[in-house]
Amino acid sequence: EADIYQTPRYLVIGTGKKITLECSQTMGHDKMYWYQQDPGMELHLIHYSYGVNSTEKGDLSSESTVSRIRTEHFPLTLESARPSHTSQYLCASRANRGPSPLHFGNGTRLTVT
Amino acid sequence: DQQVKQNSPSLSVQEGRISILNCDYTNSMFDYFLWYKKYPAEGPTFLISISSIKDKNEDGRFTVFLNKSAKHLSLHIVPSQPGDSAVYFCAAGQSFGNEKLTFGTGTRLTIIP
Repeated sequence: EADIYQTPRYLVIGTGKKITLECSQTMGHDKMYWYQQDPGMELHLIHYSYGVNSTEKGDLSSESTVSRIRTEHFPLTLESARPSHTSQYLCASRANRGPSPLHFGNGTRLTVT
Repeated sequence: DQQVKQNSPSLSVQEGRISILNCDYTNSMFDYFLWYKKYPAEGPTFLISISSIKDKNEDGRFTVFLNKSAKHLSLHIVPSQPGDSAVYFCAAGQSFGNEKLTFGTGTRLTIIP
């Protein structure tokens, strides 16, 4: 069973604040991903990483940034939150040998007022 | 340009009957397909996958069929149970090289007791 954790589960924050969404996995997976999903829409890949010190932008342009200093940790940061950032953010990881399914965390629902 | 399409936003099925969820894709480079199930306020959970070298994969009540010539896959759930009520996402990717997954917009399945 996949063990991938996201905090916080819900976050309501004012415009202009800096926020960091946390994601950790205990499976030793090298590959980690951030997806963004709005209700009724598909999941859009915004960032991914194939290992420590490796980060790439995904298919959907995002003002967020990510870092990968440790294998197990893949935080996402918004320097200045805006109402357009309101969405659900889903972190995922997958086994090092492909192809293999993504295992998702429970997500962070972000609301920027 | 949506490469993975789920044209039915919702589906209602009587308990005990068969649920059939459909998915179409346009990118002929996709060779790995997955279905995910998502409950509200949770992350997607992996259900079943299929490689393009097969046309059918079965796991308990879940069967996925792949028609490569039509670029179409379907998920069959039989018999349907109330706990199957959720949003189902189809996803597609390439086994090697570009390992990112592209998701459809989801189909909300409601099982009627």
